[in-house]
Amino acid sequence: GQSLEQPSEVTAVEGAIVQINCTYQTSGFYGLSWYQQHDGGAPTFLSYNALDGLEETGRFSSFLSRSDSYGYLLLQELQMKDSASYFCAVRDLGAGNTPLVFGKGTRLSVIA
Amino acid sequence: DSGVTQTPKHLITATGQRVTLRCSPRSGDLSVYWYQQSLDQGLQFLIQYYNGEERAKGNILERFSAQQFPDLHSELNLSSLELGDSALYFCASSVGGDGYSYEQYFGPGTRLTVT
Repeated sequence: GQSLEQPSEVTAVEGAIVQINCTYQTSGFYGLSWYQQHDGGAPTFLSYNALDGLEETGRFSSFLSRSDSYGYLLLQELQMKDSASYFCAVRDLGAGNTPLVFGKGTRLSVIA
Repeated sequence: DSGVTQTPKHLITATGQRVTLRCSPRSGDLSVYWYQQSLDQGLQFLIQYYNGEERAKGNILERFSAQQFPDLHSELNLSSLELGDSALYFCASSVGGDGYSYEQYFGPGTRLTVT
């Protein structure tokens, strides 16, 4: 089986930095993905980490530690448009062989 | 715009009815995934097709079925609808099969309301 844990809500100030953590348990590990979803919108792919370390894409970075079964998404220079839900996701090779299992999501609110 | 299209955008129907949701993947993508998203259950994987064949199955109810056609578009059929089936249904696609499932492109979704 698999499980992903991430905080349900985070609030941060415009221009600041916020980190959204994700811990996972899964049968076999093939990397950690992050998705963003605005209210009423579709999830959009942000990043993928297969190996330990930090991956940077503009204002967003994603980190993975396989030994700790832990990753995080780092958002810098927060903008109001970053207010959205953020999901971590892993592939599960257990009984379900699920291509991607999503966490319950972290709702980020960016305030002025 | 992800390149994935879904129709219809909204659907309102009565309990006991049957509906069909349609999805066209991004050009070149061979895998199609279906998800159900409700407030209390989050984003739940239903089923995956790869190049016309069923590849993986999630917690899809027996009342639900899907298929992928030779032109790679997919349809999700929901029958004997219940109030609890009201949700947002997303289709997603990826370029390949298992190794590429980490990067999926989602359509705008179909909001199903069962009354």
